[in-house]
Amino acid sequence: SQQGEEDPQALSIQEGENATMNCSYKTSINNLQWYRQNSGRGLVHLILIRSNEREKHSGRLRVTLDTSKKSSSLLITASRAADTASYFCATDRGTGGGNKLTFGTGTQLKVEL
Amino acid sequence: EPEVTQTPSHQVTQMGQEVILRCVPISNHLYFYWYRQILGQKVEFLVSFYNNEISEKSEIFDDQFSVERPDGSNFTLKIRSTKLEDSAMYFCASGRQGREKLFFGSGTQLSVL
Repeated sequence: SQQGEEDPQALSIQEGENATMNCSYKTSINNLQWYRQNSGRGLVHLILIRSNEREKHSGRLRVTLDTSKKSSSLLITASRAADTASYFCATDRGTGGGNKLTFGTGTQLKVEL
Repeated sequence: EPEVTQTPSHQVTQMGQEVILRCVPISNHLYFYWYRQILGQKVEFLVSFYNNEISEKSEIFDDQFSVERPDGSNFTLKIRSTKLEDSAMYFCASGRQGREKLFFGSGTQLSVL
């Protein structure tokens, strides 16, 4: 079964608008993380939310987690052209001490001027 | 800001050849990882490494793969006999603690011909 499916697959908005991306997963998790990837580059960590947390904020980012529905959302407020990138959710289901992240398929966000 | 560095950025090899991908994690980090991303597909976990041993590995990480931390700074991934399907972007990552955010390198694009 697929773990970590984002929707929408692609999102195009105007600068200044809010962008919302969703992620669903299938099994229990330790935490859920959101990463950003610019084309051909490495992944940049945005925010981590633990399984016992419901909402978290960081600057223009707001993440929610609903473990009963096994879903999360990432909201980027007042978007900028520089926010154009792919966004991935990643669930940590590791049984060892480290992060064993399972990444989703990603949402490609395009913010137009 | 400290970052994870990977070399080379691109590696082209012939099928059946051995390759070593190199990474320098962030200096005070304790957990080290390799992930890979085949073109157009999800980022996949390969292996996590802590306290000089593998703490967890995926089904992908078979006997063809090995990791090593030969000194206090480098972390390497060796593929013993490359196959065409090993062509991918390989990302090294490190974390200060387990279950915390990961810092990813920019990746090594491996092309197996």
